[in-house]
Amino acid sequence: NAGVTQTPKFRVLKTGQSMTLLCAQDMNHEYMYWYRQDPGMGLRLIHYSVGEGTTAKGEVPDGYNVSRLKKQNFLLGLESAAPSQTSVYFCASSQTGRYNEQFFGPGTRLTVL
Amino acid sequence: DAKTTQPPSMDCAEGRAANLPCNHSTISGNEYVYWYRQIHSQGPQYIIHGLKNNETNEMASLIITEDRKSSTLILPHATLRDTAVYYCIVRPLTSGGYQKVTFGTGTKLQVIP
Repeated sequence: NAGVTQTPKFRVLKTGQSMTLLCAQDMNHEYMYWYRQDPGMGLRLIHYSVGEGTTAKGEVPDGYNVSRLKKQNFLLGLESAAPSQTSVYFCASSQTGRYNEQFFGPGTRLTVL
Repeated sequence: DAKTTQPPSMDCAEGRAANLPCNHSTISGNEYVYWYRQIHSQGPQYIIHGLKNNETNEMASLIITEDRKSSTLILPHATLRDTAVYYCIVRPLTSGGYQKVTFGTGTKLQVIP
C-alpha cells in the first residue's frame, strides 16, 4: 500500500494563478481531510469529506475549494492564489469507526509570490 | 475538544527513555488521549491512544493518571530518528461521524547523540 500520496510535492505560483492539489489514498478510507501548516500555528483544517461526493468546511476554508468525485481522491483547488496561502499542505484520511486515527500524506510545499 | 498543554521543547539522550508530558485538566469522561508526531518536513504520524488504562504498542507507551487530567508518552529507547514534534490531542470517541482533531503546537523533542 502506498498509503496517502500527494501531488505535487512543491509548487511556486504567482499571485492570481490557480492550481489543484491532488490527494490519493489506497486504504479505502471514508474520510479525507486537507490541512495547512504554517510556522508556529500547528495544523489547521481547511476542508474535509466524510464520503464520496461530500465535502464540508473546516476552520480556514476561505480561498479554497474541494471536490471528492471518487472515494480515493480528494482535490484541493486554489482559484486565485494569494501570498497568504503560502504554506505546507497536508492531506489525511481515516476510516469510519470509533477511533478514527488519521493517516497523513507527505505534504505539498506551496509558495505564492 | 479539551485543551492540552505541552512543554514547547525537550531534550533526551540517545538510548534513554523520553518522557513527554501532557496536561488535559478539562478532559471529559468520553474523551480519548491521542498522540501523533511529526518528523521534520513529513506528515504527522499516529503513535498511540488511550482512555484511562495504560497502553503500549511497538512505538511507545502511554501512561494516563488516575484522574485523567494528565498523561505521559514514553519512548523507551529514544533514537535520533525519534527527533520530532509530538502532539497530544484529546477528542471524544466517535460513533462514526466526523470528529474534529485539533493539533496544537506540540513538544519539539530533540534526541541528542
